[in-house]
Amino acid sequence: DIQMTQSPSSLSASVGDRVTITCRASQSISRYLNWYQQKPGKAPKLLIYATSSLQSGVPSRFSGSGSGTEFTLTISNLQGEDFATYYCQQTYTTGEFTFGPGTEVAIK
Amino acid sequence: EMQLVESGGGLVQPGGSLRLSCVGSGLTFTNYWMHWVRQVPGKGLVWVSRINSDGSDILYGDSVKGRFTISRDNAKNTVYLQMNSLRAEDSAIYFCTRAVYGRVSEFEYWGQGTLVTVSP
Repeated sequence: DIQMTQSPSSLSASVGDRVTITCRASQSISRYLNWYQQKPGKAPKLLIYATSSLQSGVPSRFSGSGSGTEFTLTISNLQGEDFATYYCQQTYTTGEFTFGPGTEVAIK
Repeated sequence: EMQLVESGGGLVQPGGSLRLSCVGSGLTFTNYWMHWVRQVPGKGLVWVSRINSDGSDILYGDSVKGRFTISRDNAKNTVYLQMNSLRAEDSAIYFCTRAVYGRVSEFEYWGQGTLVTVSP
């Protein structure tokens, strides 16, 4: 099974900051990588799919990059509504669409 | 408003069964992949199962294989998750999700979740 890790597990940032979250896969997943945002008590929200494609309606301050085993989610100009937990998800293997453990972005 | 609404969760004893339902309102299921994802409160997301538009392609996560059954009724805009032989580790919030059109495993719409608690 493909294992996903994320770093850091949590971070503190201020409004206006640029934030980068890294997701690593235990083996190559090409570009089959999605990112979700989840706020407390809410369902996750799809931000980016296929590594770098922005889901409709998602602000352009969110961007994704990477390939193979290492991927990044970048939030430029962090806004108040961006404080949440972010999960990566691999969709390379048919049958186990593994999520990463999450990165909590908190207010500094 | 487009939304998915899950129901059927609750408290059940180990070894028991539950049937979860997910109804779409304001959005259609036809031609979309549907999935169930679960999450222990305060913990991470775990994919559970998926079903294609006509029910001919179904997969399960290893942790539920042989115990859970996913199905759908497109006429009722509903997807189901029959959960048998429930274990304490199945306790979680269960979300139903609809994939992005034309894609399999990019989860665009999510329900609010239904809580399943497996306990004596």
